Amino acid sequence: EDQVTQSPEALRLQEGESSSLNCSYTVSGLRGLFWYRQDPGKGPEFLFTLYSAGEEKEKERLKATLTKKESFLHITAPKPEDSATYLCAVRTNYGGSQGNLIFGKGTKLSVKP
Amino acid sequence: DGGITQSPKYLFRKEGQNVTLSCEQNLNHDAMYWYRQDPGQGLRLIYYSQIVNDFQKGDIAEGYSVSREKKESFPLTVTSAQKNPTAFYLCASSILGLVGETQYFGPGTRLLVL
Repeated sequence: EDQVTQSPEALRLQEGESSSLNCSYTVSGLRGLFWYRQDPGKGPEFLFTLYSAGEEKEKERLKATLTKKESFLHITAPKPEDSATYLCAVRTNYGGSQGNLIFGKGTKLSVKP
Repeated sequence: DGGITQSPKYLFRKEGQNVTLSCEQNLNHDAMYWYRQDPGQGLRLIYYSQIVNDFQKGDIAEGYSVSREKKESFPLTVTSAQKNPTAFYLCASSILGLVGETQYFGPGTRLLVL
């Protein structure tokens, strides 16, 4: 069964304390891995799409990487405004569902000043 | 400004009542999606549509219905058959292509039961 697991469930950091969020997946044929940021009571905001192992993408303090089994979202010198829930989703290679997204449960990040 | 709008922001449903959530996009995207988000769970797909006048069931379609009469609109009806409708509902849209298409989300509608 296709599955996406995010860890940790929650992460508390001090401002400036760099860390990484993990998204591990078991799917039959990856067609894309997506990272979103979600603020409380709002819709997810798109961050990155990764397609193949070894690919990396950066945006401000965020850097996403992809291997054959997992993706990391690295946060360098985070600020309080980076506090949010980060969602990972994968699109698989098959099916009648046209490869719809499978979401993880998210990692809730809190950055204290 | 291009984007996805959802209305209302909050919706209250009485027992036995059908309610409709609105989703409109002006991104000229082909595909539209409805997800349900519950605390501690990942987003779950309710219905999706890749073309006007056609739609497909997702993983949790029971108790819901949709229509796609216009490319820019994809309303979701939560029927009285949905026994646990309290959740945050998210609409998304994407272009269609051969590679992984990015889905963009609206601001969401929170449905509460009275």
